[in-house]
Amino acid sequence: GNSVTQMEGPVTLSEEAFLTINCTYTATGYPSLFWYVQYPGEGLQLLLKATKADDKGSNKGFEATYRKETTSFHLEKGSVQVSDSAVYFCALSDPGTGNQFYFGTGTSLTVIP
Amino acid sequence: DSGVTQTPKHLITATGQRVTLRCSPRSGDLSVYWYQQSLDQGLQFLIQYYNGEERAKGNILERFSAQQFPDLHSELNLSSLELGDSALYFCASSVGDRGTDTQYFGPGTRLTVL
Repeated sequence: GNSVTQMEGPVTLSEEAFLTINCTYTATGYPSLFWYVQYPGEGLQLLLKATKADDKGSNKGFEATYRKETTSFHLEKGSVQVSDSAVYFCALSDPGTGNQFYFGTGTSLTVIP
Repeated sequence: DSGVTQTPKHLITATGQRVTLRCSPRSGDLSVYWYQQSLDQGLQFLIQYYNGEERAKGNILERFSAQQFPDLHSELNLSSLELGDSALYFCASSVGDRGTDTQYFGPGTRLTVL
């Protein structure tokens, strides 16, 4: 079946530190991979996506590369800001299951000044 | 603002009752998805509709049902409510139903069952 395993949180970093949030997946087909971010009291917002192997998604300084050989889609940012404090969700969608999304458990990030 | 609207924002009700949550997708989107977010279960896919037809079903209880109307808005009906149904319910929409389509999420409806 399909599943997403995400790094356990919470994660606390100082401003300008390097961020990595690990995400690995299991899929029966050829999934698309996504990172969503949820700010307090809000819905999920797409952060970035990659639809095939070796694609790199990037947005707002965040990057993630679709690695088929390691079934991973780790999220990275070189220098985090206080405004990046949020919960980050890794997700996959498998075309074989009608675009149903499978989400990881979420990783809470707090950035302190 | 994702363009997806959900009403109501908050709902407080009692066990055994029935409620209806409403979702309006982004203009032009044909697919609507419902998700439940709770502390113990995380974010769980419930059901998907595409252009009025049910397309995929996830972990949706038999007490729950949904439909998508000709104007593409969708309603999620929750009946015989239990304490454990307290959660955030999100609606999302996408243009189509391909695996590469981005889903845009609404702000959610927070349901509290007392």
